[in-house]
Amino acid sequence: AQKVTQAQTEISVVEKEDVTLDCVYETRDTTYYLFWYKQPPSGELVFLIRRNSFDEQNEISGRYSWNFQKSTSSFNFTITASQVVDSAVYFCALTRGLNAGNNRKLIWGLGTSLAVNP
Amino acid sequence: DAGVIQSPRHEVTEMGQEVTLRCKLISGHNSLFWYRQTMMRGLELLIYFNNNVPIDDSGMPEDRFSAKMPNASFSTLKIQPSEPRDSAVYFCASSPSGGVSSYEQYFGPGTRLTVT
Repeated sequence: AQKVTQAQTEISVVEKEDVTLDCVYETRDTTYYLFWYKQPPSGELVFLIRRNSFDEQNEISGRYSWNFQKSTSSFNFTITASQVVDSAVYFCALTRGLNAGNNRKLIWGLGTSLAVNP
Repeated sequence: DAGVIQSPRHEVTEMGQEVTLRCKLISGHNSLFWYRQTMMRGLELLIYFNNNVPIDDSGMPEDRFSAKMPNASFSTLKIQPSEPRDSAVYFCASSPSGGVSSYEQYFGPGTRLTVT
């Protein structure tokens, strides 16, 4: 069975601090995809990144970086020099890859609420 | 390009009334997902269509809920009769066709439903 665990329910930091959001997943599939989504206070869900299981290269996009480690089944998200605008709920998600045929169903974590205080 | 469009953005109705939520996919996308989000249960997938065909409806709560895709770009989610426990934010998401990007879901702004 597939599962995504975001153990941190809430995190509070002061602006300019670095913060890492943890995501641990379980799957028996050999190919799969991992995602991060952001849900700011306005409510919409914003796609941030997709990572393929066969690509363990870390990714950096501005102040955001992602560390994917298959050995520990983790896909952690780091925000460097956090800003108030980063305050949001962040969701990690997992989907089956080629093994699933046509099924694109996402398995979601419960989310981590990040508060960045001025 | 326009994103996923949902209407209405807010809906307040009385218990027992029929509610219809609408979603327009991003042009060129061929998969459609309906989600419900509540504080208690988080984000739940209700139903998922690919090329207008329902692929997974295991999350549809009960017979009061029904979803349709009358064409490739539009979907409705109907609740009849509505109950207070249906109060939630309902999201629609779409995915592009083909390639690894087809695994990415792009969400609409959501419909906040309140059933009194």
